[in-house]
Amino acid sequence: GEDVEQSLFLSVREGDSSVINCTYTDSSSTYLYWYKQEPGAGLQLLTYIFSNMDMKQDQRLTVLLNKKDKHLSLRIADTQTGDSAIYFCAESRYNNNDMRFGAGTRLTVKP
Amino acid sequence: DAGVTQSPTHLIKTRGQQVTLRCSPKSGHDTVSWYQQALGQGPQFIFQYYEEEERQRGNFPDRFSGHQFPNYSSELNVNALLLGDSALYLCASSLGIPSGGKETQYFGPGTRLLVL
Repeated sequence: GEDVEQSLFLSVREGDSSVINCTYTDSSSTYLYWYKQEPGAGLQLLTYIFSNMDMKQDQRLTVLLNKKDKHLSLRIADTQTGDSAIYFCAESRYNNNDMRFGAGTRLTVKP
Repeated sequence: DAGVTQSPTHLIKTRGQQVTLRCSPKSGHDTVSWYQQALGQGPQFIFQYYEEEERQRGNFPDRFSGHQFPNYSSELNVNALLLGDSALYLCASSLGIPSGGKETQYFGPGTRLLVL
C-alpha cells in the first residue's frame, strides 16, 4: 500500500532552524501537506505544495519537494518555543477524497 | 466565523457498546470527512459524506457508519465497540469534494474515545 513515513522526534534550540523530513511512496500523489497538532487539539494546516512545484515559501516556513525521490521537507526558520508540537506530513491524489498521513514528528524546542 | 466543531470532547464507553460522535462543519462547507487517530499515529481516513451520501470509504469495518444531515452536519456511529477503537476521532470539512490544495480540509479538535 501507499505509505508516508517521518522520523518520530526532533529537538532544536530556540532561534535555530528546524528541518522535518517526510518520504512517501505513491507516485500519483498530487498534493502534499504539512499539518501541526498541539496537545489536545486538532490538526492545523500549515502549508501545502502541488506536486509540480519544488519549493514553496510562506513566512518562516519553507517546503521543499523532491518528486523524483518522493521526499518532502519542512524548514522552520528561527524556531520558537511555540513551535513545539507534532508535525504531520500528508498526501492526497487529485479527485481522491482521502488523505494519507505519516505518524508525525514531535518537535521539541529548547530555550 | 465558526470553525469545525465536534461533540462530545471526551467519551468513555465499555466493550460492546455503541457510540455516536457529532460534527458541525465550518460555515459554508458541505463535505465532511472522518478520521481515526490512534495514540502515536497519524489520522486514518474512515469515510467522507457529501450531499448526504457516503462518497468514499477507507479500510474500516461496517461497524463504522455515518450520516450527513441536510444542514451538512454529520454523525459517526461505531457499533460493538472494541478496545482497539480507543482513539481521537477527527472530523474535517471542505467545500465540495476536496481535490487538494486550496479546497483542502479543515479539521475540528476531535473527540477522544476511550473504550474499557
